[in-house]
Amino acid sequence: EPEVTQTPSHQVTQMGQEVILRCVPISNHLYFYWYRQILGQKVEFLVSFYNNEISEKSEIFDDQFSVERPDGSNFTLKIRSTKLEDSAMYFCASRGQGAHTEAFFGQGTRLTVV
Amino acid sequence: TQLLEQSPQFLSIQEGENLTVYCNSSSVFSSLQWYRQEPGEGPVLLVTVVTGGEVKKLKRLTFQFGDARKDSSLHITAAQPGDTGLYLCAGDGSSNTGKLIFGQGTTLQVKP
Repeated sequence: EPEVTQTPSHQVTQMGQEVILRCVPISNHLYFYWYRQILGQKVEFLVSFYNNEISEKSEIFDDQFSVERPDGSNFTLKIRSTKLEDSAMYFCASRGQGAHTEAFFGQGTRLTVV
Repeated sequence: TQLLEQSPQFLSIQEGENLTVYCNSSSVFSSLQWYRQEPGEGPVLLVTVVTGGEVKKLKRLTFQFGDARKDSSLHITAAQPGDTGLYLCAGDGSSNTGKLIFGQGTTLQVKP
């Protein structure tokens, strides 16, 4: 069964450092997303990506965040200068074409900023 | 801003009991999804409801979409310990980018 894979599963970084979270979406999907879930809180939308560009971003997704699909298979989320409050689970998701299609989520990357 | 309010946030019941989880909004959603999330993993889709008034069944789970497409419910009959987990409702946002707006989740514990 196709799946979304994310690496690493856990990343510990020092405040102010750059991190790159990696995702391999399902191969024939066209829509890609990043969500985050701070411990004990709800899953929050960060950004959507379609046709090699950002289609929507939330107010959380400020200038410290960027996304890229560098080689047609990977989809990355970069945080330039991490803050303590960036500590969260980050989920990548992808969807195929068509209305109401299922969003498949990866297992997440737990980012801990110390 | 579209918001989904899920209730209750925590539910602890005995095996064999029935339960209902509610997901409410003041906004209309084109569809609503219910997910289950295990600790340390991503959400896994249980069902999508699209039409107002729609009812879908998945074994002992019954999902309903409100007539006005602003609310949904998940009913579990004769709960089992294997049903223990976090249940999330999520709605298709209004922006047509396919983003999902999540409720806060309901943590269900079913005791044997």
